[in-house]
Amino acid sequence: GEDVEQSLFLSVREGDSSVINCTYTDSSSTYLYWYKQEPGAGLQLLTYIFSNMDMKQDQRLTVLLNKKDKHLSLRIADTQTGDSAIYFCAEIGGLTGGGNKLTFGTGTQLKVEL
Amino acid sequence: KAGVTQTPRYLIKTRGQQVTLSCSPISGHRSVSWYQQTPGQGLQFLFEYFSETQRNKGNFPGRFSGRQFSNSRSEMNVSTLELGDSALYLCASSFSGTGGGDTQYFGPGTRLTVL
Repeated sequence: GEDVEQSLFLSVREGDSSVINCTYTDSSSTYLYWYKQEPGAGLQLLTYIFSNMDMKQDQRLTVLLNKKDKHLSLRIADTQTGDSAIYFCAEIGGLTGGGNKLTFGTGTQLKVEL
Repeated sequence: KAGVTQTPRYLIKTRGQQVTLSCSPISGHRSVSWYQQTPGQGLQFLFEYFSETQRNKGNFPGRFSGRQFSNSRSEMNVSTLELGDSALYLCASSFSGTGGGDTQYFGPGTRLTVL
């Protein structure tokens, strides 16, 4: 079955760049997503990338995809204290009959220190 | 446009009881998916409904069920509650549920505690 893995914890200083990594196993993954979860809240979609792309930039966020190695990363430039949260990568593969089923990683807790 | 809403936000039940959670998708969205989030198992897919039909189902026992109404609102039901059912239940909606770029937007979740 599908499996998505992330490192559990990342600590950075305010103003530095953060890089959160993710690996996945499903070779049929078509889209890969990054979601953010703050304490007591649901999931906020940050960005996504189609599997035929290598990179996508969206303001302070840069997503890099290495499809050969099944490796996804999220870079947050100029990290702020408000970026402290848990970040989940998720993939959606080919489903017979269409439909949605996101497979999530374990989540990376990002802590931004002053 | 209003986001995905879930009610209630918090629930406390005892073992053996049953519970019903509700989700109202973003206006115009026809696909509703449910996920369970626990510290031990992380985020796991429960099921997805589209046009009042269950289209996909995760690996959960039959105690977990759901339905979708003609206005796309969805409910999920858990019968004979167990302690392990304590979790944050998240609902997500998307326009057509075709996957991929049809992005899923999540509600704030319902926190269920089983005593």
